[in-house]
Amino acid sequence: SAVISQKPSRDICQRGTSLTIQCQVDSQVTMMFWYRQQPGQSLTLIATANQGSEATYESGFVIDKFPISRPNLTFSTLTVSNMSPEDSSIYLCSAARGVSFSYEQYFGPGTRLTVT
Amino acid sequence: GENVEQHPSTLSVQEGDSAVIKCTYSDSASNYFPWYKQELGKRPQLIIDIRSNVGEKKDQRIAVTLNKTAKHFSLHITETQPEDSAVYFCAATISAVNSGGSNYKLTFGKGTLLTVNP
Repeated sequence: SAVISQKPSRDICQRGTSLTIQCQVDSQVTMMFWYRQQPGQSLTLIATANQGSEATYESGFVIDKFPISRPNLTFSTLTVSNMSPEDSSIYLCSAARGVSFSYEQYFGPGTRLTVT
Repeated sequence: GENVEQHPSTLSVQEGDSAVIKCTYSDSASNYFPWYKQELGKRPQLIIDIRSNVGEKKDQRIAVTLNKTAKHFSLHITETQPEDSAVYFCAATISAVNSGGSNYKLTFGKGTLLTVNP
């Protein structure tokens, strides 16, 4: 399995500010994703992070609010922009090798964001 | 898009009993079905998965079954232990080359809170 790290692990931010979350994978992976998990809820896909090109966003999520970068196969960032209390959530990145029928997708430890 | 329904939302069993969690999916093109266990404050952990060319898969005390015709799959945990207590999520995805952008995108069920009472 891939080892995935995220930072920061948690943060408390003021409304109107932005936070960038980093995700690092220990080996090259084909697919990287960003999810949001609100307290007591399931995981919702925000976007697919594409290496060297614009991310693919799911319905309800837009680039201006959640800009994503993926400069190489092992690193991605998610920025939560112009934050409001409704953005308080856990943000998780995940990765899948996607080769040789290895469909397994593994998650980072998450970033717990509180917006005041 | 894909829609995954998961039942029950909560499940309480006595230690040693079996637990079964069921999921249904809507997109007949989905071909990969993982199950994740999430303990409080932790990341989701992949515990077992099944591909559409297989009807059943077992790993020690856990097993997953898949019925492609009915579009449902289930997680079975036998001889439950207190450390099995967690939230379990099922998911579905289309995992294939040239799948129209759906590669590996997981759609999750709403989760089942399993409590194993000692």
